Amino acid sequence: QVQLQESGPGLVKPSGTLSLTCSVSGASIISTHWWGWVRQPPGKGLEWIGEIYHRGNTNYNPSLKSPVAISVDNSKNQFSLTLTSVTAADTAVYYCARVSGSCSGGRCTNFFDVWGQGTLVTVSS
Amino acid sequence: EIVLTQSPGTLSLSPGERATLSCRASQSVSRSLAWYQRKPGQAPRVFIYEATTRATGIPDRFSGAGSGTEFTLTISRLEPEDSAVYYCQQYGDSPLYTFGQGTKLEIK
Repeated sequence: QVQLQESGPGLVKPSGTLSLTCSVSGASIISTHWWGWVRQPPGKGLEWIGEIYHRGNTNYNPSLKSPVAISVDNSKNQFSLTLTSVTAADTAVYYCARVSGSCSGGRCTNFFDVWGQGTLVTVSS
Repeated sequence: EIVLTQSPGTLSLSPGERATLSCRASQSVSRSLAWYQRKPGQAPRVFIYEATTRATGIPDRFSGAGSGTEFTLTISRLEPEDSAVYYCQQYGDSPLYTFGQGTKLEIK
C-alpha cells in the first residue's frame, strides 16, 4: 500500500522560506509516476503547485507568486518543496500526491491517485 | 488558463436520491477530467478519471460523463457516507492541473 507523509515546520515568517518534505513508503519513487504538490488556502480551492519526476524533471504552476522549487532524493525515497519569500497568501494545507496517468484516443490525462494527509503551514510573524 | 466552474455550490438531498454534479470548462479539455471526493480532515480521494473511469474501489453508484467542456458526476442511491465536497480537475493546459471550486453535497 503506497503511503505519502508530509513533514516540515508549521509556522514560517513572512519573507522566509517554506520547506516541506514528502516521504514515500510502499513504493519506489523511481517509477513511471510523477510526484506533485497541491495546496489549499483556508476557505479557498485546491491549487496545483508543481511536480517532479525521479530524474529531476519538473513542471511548475506559472501562476504562483512566490518562487518555488521541487527536488527529489531517490536514495531517501523523498521529494521536497521549497517556497521562498513567502507571504500570508501562502498559508495553506499542503498535500503531496502521486500522479498517475491514463491514455486513450491519442491523448493522456493525469490525476492524483495517492495523497498525503496534508500539513497546515501558516505564514505569520 | 482553463477555468473549471462547478455547480451547484451546495446540494442537499436525502438518502436514496440521485445527485448530479456539474463541471464546466472554459475551453475544451477533451476527456482529461477527474473527480475527487473530500471529507473534512481528509485528503481528496480520486473517484473518477478520464471523465468516465471509476478509480479502484469506487462503487458503481458513482458515474462520470461528458467530454469537451461539459461534465457530470452522478451519484445514484445516495448514502449518508456520500456527504462531502466534490472537486473536478483538468489536466493538460497551463497550468497543467486546475481544480474547480467544489460542490458541497449534504445528505439530509
